[in-house]
Amino acid sequence: QLQLQESGPGLVKPSETLSLTCTVSGGSIGTSSYYWGWIRQPPGKGLEWIGSIYYSGSIYYNPSLKSRVTLSEDTSKNQFSLKLSSVTAADTAVYYCARHPVVRGVILWFDPWGQGTLVTVSS
Amino acid sequence: AVRMTQSPSSFSASTEDRVTITCRASQGIGSFLAWYQQKPGKAPKLLIYGASTLQSGVPSRFSGSGSGTDFTLTISWLQSEDFATYYCQQYYSYPYTFGQGTKLEIK
Repeated sequence: QLQLQESGPGLVKPSETLSLTCTVSGGSIGTSSYYWGWIRQPPGKGLEWIGSIYYSGSIYYNPSLKSRVTLSEDTSKNQFSLKLSSVTAADTAVYYCARHPVVRGVILWFDPWGQGTLVTVSS
Repeated sequence: AVRMTQSPSSFSASTEDRVTITCRASQGIGSFLAWYQQKPGKAPKLLIYGASTLQSGVPSRFSGSGSGTDFTLTISWLQSEDFATYYCQQYYSYPYTFGQGTKLEIK
């Protein structure tokens, strides 16, 4: 069964770049059937979609974060990654990676999700 | 962006109750709506997609309805494991957006 696992530093200094990787097991990210996305959740708050990437390199970003976000993928390692630059305390959150299906060109819901990783922005 | 508004934000109920959570979109989204359940310290879990289709493995006491701008999630016979926070999410247009969540607590 498909599993996703986020990894990366749990503490990032303000103004630096947050870098996370999602490793996928039990399935390939190099498939035409799915996009692979990132979602975050500040402590005690709701969910915010960050962006999603396709194996061909097609990427969609949330406009609210687009200027600071870079998504990439490495099909040889079955991983995709997130970089968020110029972080502030407002970027402190649990970051999730997730898969979403594509049907007739329409990108759909998120399922499954990784367990999430807490990233704290603090000096 | 499509704004998703859930109501109520929180409420208390007892096991075996029937509960309904509402999600309203700021513009029509057809049936491009999903519901998720999140328990403390865990990732969200997909319950329903396409506004009314139950994800495989999800108990049949969960049901969803609606289209356009108004949607509901109903739990017909609350069980102890259902006390959690529920989120709706639209995938009609970018950016994908979520409701603010509804926290269901034990009375």
